[in-house]
Amino acid sequence: DVKVTQSSRYLVKRTGEKVFLECVQDMDHENMFWYRQDPGLGLRLIYFSYDVKMKEKGDIPEGYSVSREKKERFSLILESASTNQTSMYLCASSPLGAGANVLTFGAGSRLTVL
Amino acid sequence: AQKVTQAQTEISVVEKEDVTLDCVYETRDTTYYLFWYKQPPSGELVFLIRRNSFDEQNEISGRYSWNFQKSTSSFNFTITASQVVDSAVYFCALSELNQFYFGTGTSLTVIP
Repeated sequence: DVKVTQSSRYLVKRTGEKVFLECVQDMDHENMFWYRQDPGLGLRLIYFSYDVKMKEKGDIPEGYSVSREKKERFSLILESASTNQTSMYLCASSPLGAGANVLTFGAGSRLTVL
Repeated sequence: AQKVTQAQTEISVVEKEDVTLDCVYETRDTTYYLFWYKQPPSGELVFLIRRNSFDEQNEISGRYSWNFQKSTSSFNFTITASQVVDSAVYFCALSELNQFYFGTGTSLTVIP
């Protein structure tokens, strides 16, 4: 069964801490995405990557950075966590070509920043 | 402006009732795709269906059916004879020019 695995389901961090959210996919997908999900706002794209070492800003990149050193792994980094970054974070991947817009999602990481 | 509008924030139905989740989209492109995803309490969004803009044929998959109408820019999702396992948040999404736009979701609760 193909999977997108997010390393942490629940995290609690303090304001100012550096936070790493890890995402690994085993489908050899080229595209990987980080979304943030908040009630009433749906899913908002933070960053995406079309290839190793490539990254593109999404709609709300401020306060976040990403790293893609290997094809299967896409990390989201909060350099200095703030309370307004308390949210559910969803990682997704998709292949190139005809299936490129069918996203496979991970189970999400719920981050609370105190 | 919202590219994808799901006006129903929350819906509750009694088991075995039919329920329709509405989705209205906005695009100027002639080539685009529409999607529905299901997010159960476990959190993982599950892909349900993808339709391209050139295929308005309605689709049925078991208890699920989708009605795509370009004339009204709608892509509605109907669950027939709902079950408790259908309780989830359902997202409609639009893909155009490699950009994705998600609606705000409709939370469906099926009461036993």
